[in-house]
Amino acid sequence: GAGVSQTPSNKVTEKGKYVELRCDPISGHTALYWYRQSLGQGPEFLIYFQGTGAADDSGLPNDRFFAVRPEGSVSTLKIQRTERGDSAVYLCASSLGTSGNHWETQYFGPGTRLLVL
Amino acid sequence: AQSVTQPDIHITVSEGASLELRCNYSYGATPYLFWYVQSPGQGLQLLLKYFSGDTLVQGIKGFEAEFKRSQSSFNLRKPSVHWSDAAEYFCAVGARKEYGNKLVFGAGTILRVKS
Repeated sequence: GAGVSQTPSNKVTEKGKYVELRCDPISGHTALYWYRQSLGQGPEFLIYFQGTGAADDSGLPNDRFFAVRPEGSVSTLKIQRTERGDSAVYLCASSLGTSGNHWETQYFGPGTRLLVL
Repeated sequence: AQSVTQPDIHITVSEGASLELRCNYSYGATPYLFWYVQSPGQGLQLLLKYFSGDTLVQGIKGFEAEFKRSQSSFNLRKPSVHWSDAAEYFCAVGARKEYGNKLVFGAGTILRVKS
């Protein structure tokens, strides 16, 4: 079946602009994660959704970053007043979300490469 | 706080040679450990995972990893490297939280394969 998809694959914007990045998880997966991967670094956790609600947003760097998942499927990561330091690859992952306290494998999308000029 | 260290930023091996990528972790409880591979333009692909039990785990593409609690290590190995293995490899620890499981990644090791 289809994996995690992310759009756009690349986004170039100017400093101060607003951007939206979209993630479409694997069908039936109720858990969704956003990570950010800066150049030369490993991915860093941003936020986790279980269904429609953000269960853990401890990784969001500041209040310019916000994410929603209104219907429990597609998620949008929103960045206001973008800064050059926001340039990175934004990765989305999903998992079944039904295993309670048991660990679930996270399946990653190809990412959106954001460049802020 | 959980952390992962991958001491080698780059590694170059000859095709057919053996490979070992190092990973050390810091975690207060029984760790959930993972190796992912990332090829250019591709998403992260899970190679293998350790949850409990046998400390030697087998993964896809001929990779294996050994969990050593005394050394806080989870090194990735492959007996004979193929040119298609050239990619970036990430070790990660699963940081458990009541309602979710976030991954904490190392900085990655870039593998180059010489023909």
